[in-house]
Amino acid sequence: AIRMTQSPSSLSASTGDRVTITCRASQGISNYLAWYQQKPGKAPKLLIYGASTLQSGVPSRFSGSGSGTDFTLTISWLQSEDFATYYCQQYYNYPLTFGGGTKVEIK
Amino acid sequence: EVQLLESGGGLVQPGGSLRLSCAASGFTFSTYAMYWVRQSPGKGLEWVSGITGSGGATYYTDSVRGRFTISRDNSRNTLYLQMNSLRAEDTAVYYCARVPAGGDRFDFWGQGALLTVSS
Repeated sequence: AIRMTQSPSSLSASTGDRVTITCRASQGISNYLAWYQQKPGKAPKLLIYGASTLQSGVPSRFSGSGSGTDFTLTISWLQSEDFATYYCQQYYNYPLTFGGGTKVEIK
Repeated sequence: EVQLLESGGGLVQPGGSLRLSCAASGFTFSTYAMYWVRQSPGKGLEWVSGITGSGGATYYTDSVRGRFTISRDNSRNTLYLQMNSLRAEDTAVYYCARVPAGGDRFDFWGQGALLTVSS
C-alpha cells in the first residue's frame, strides 16, 4: 500500500497567516492526490483534486501543487473558518490511502 | 442538492453483524461509484470499500475483505455495507461518499454513522 506522510501533524497560526502543509507519498502517484478539510464532528470536505484543481465552491485562498511524491496545500490568507484538520489522499491505486492529518490551530 | 444519509449504526458485540445503509438524493445515483470510508474515534481516515455505479465491481481494503460486503440498489438510490464477524478495531464512524468520474476522490460525504463493537 502507498503510505502518505503529512507534515507537520499540527501547527499554530494566526488569522491572515500563510500556511503550508506537505504530503509525501511512499511511491510516485503522478497527480492523483486530493486534499480534504475536516472540522470536529463533521464529515470531510473535498478542497482540491488532481493535486492542484480547486473543487467547485472552495475559496481561492486554497491552492495545491506537486506531482510524483511531494505535494503541498497552501492557505494563502488564513481565515477563522479554516481552523480544522486537513488530510491528503492518494487515488493512484488501491488501497486508497490517506495521510495522518494536519491540525491547524489558533495561535 | 446532493444528500447522503447513513443509517444503521449502533452497538454490536464482537463477532456480531450489522448492515449500514446510505440513502442518496439530488443526483443520478446509478451513474456514480460509491464508497465507504471510516474514522476511528480521534483517529484519521481509512478507506473501507467501493462499488461501481452498476454494481459490477467491488473493492475492499485487506482488513475487511471476506467480512464486509458492499452492495447497492439503484432502484432505491441506496448503498449498503453488510458487516460480519465484527471486531473491536472496526469501531468507527462510517461515512458513505460519492466518487465522480475521473478519479477516486470523494466529492460528497454523508454525515456518518457510528459503529461501536464492544462486549
